[in-house]
Amino acid sequence: GQQVMQIPQYQHVQEGEDFTTYCNSSTTLSNIQWYKQRPGGHPVFLIQLVKSGEVKKQKRLTFQFGEAKKNSSLHITATQTTDVGTYFCAGWIYNQGGKLIFGQGTELSVKP
Amino acid sequence: DTGVSQNPRHKITKRGQNVTFRCDPISEHNRLYWYRQTLGQGPEFLTYFQNEAQLEKSRLLSDRFSAERPKGSFSTLEIQRTEQGDSAMYLCASSFGQGELDTQYFGPGTRLTVL
Repeated sequence: GQQVMQIPQYQHVQEGEDFTTYCNSSTTLSNIQWYKQRPGGHPVFLIQLVKSGEVKKQKRLTFQFGEAKKNSSLHITATQTTDVGTYFCAGWIYNQGGKLIFGQGTELSVKP
Repeated sequence: DTGVSQNPRHKITKRGQNVTFRCDPISEHNRLYWYRQTLGQGPEFLTYFQNEAQLEKSRLLSDRFSAERPKGSFSTLEIQRTEQGDSAMYLCASSFGQGELDTQYFGPGTRLTVL
């Protein structure tokens, strides 16, 4: 079946270092969404990318959608302790109904 | 608070018992989703409703699982004859129903522990 793979599974960084998580789909995606889940919390929507090659920024966060609409990345510049959590990508598969397929997530820990 | 709410937040049950969870979506949202999340994994899609109609069910949803959304507002997820493998966080999400442009808003989840 359709899969969305995410790497790395864990990332430990020193505060101030950059962080990147990568997302790859076995199938072309209609769009890709990114969510953040704090420890003990629930997923919270961050952003949605729809167009091939799209790049969006939110302060220190940069999101990219690949040209083939099969991969995506999230890059955080100069991490802060408030960035701690698990970041999930989720792909919407065209013509596969109304469901999002989530990646396994990348758990980010930031050492002050 | 006008976000998605779920009850109960925690449920501990013995194997073989039935459990029911409730989700109250954001009031103007047409779509309601159920997901299951286990430790270290992303949410896995279970089923979703457009208003009161259940439009899709995952193959993960065995015949012990049933979901309803009788009036197109709140939804219930029932698990019959629970098994230890059912232990997980059950998440509900709702959205306006804009197809692929949907943004899903998640509730806090119900954590189920089957002993």
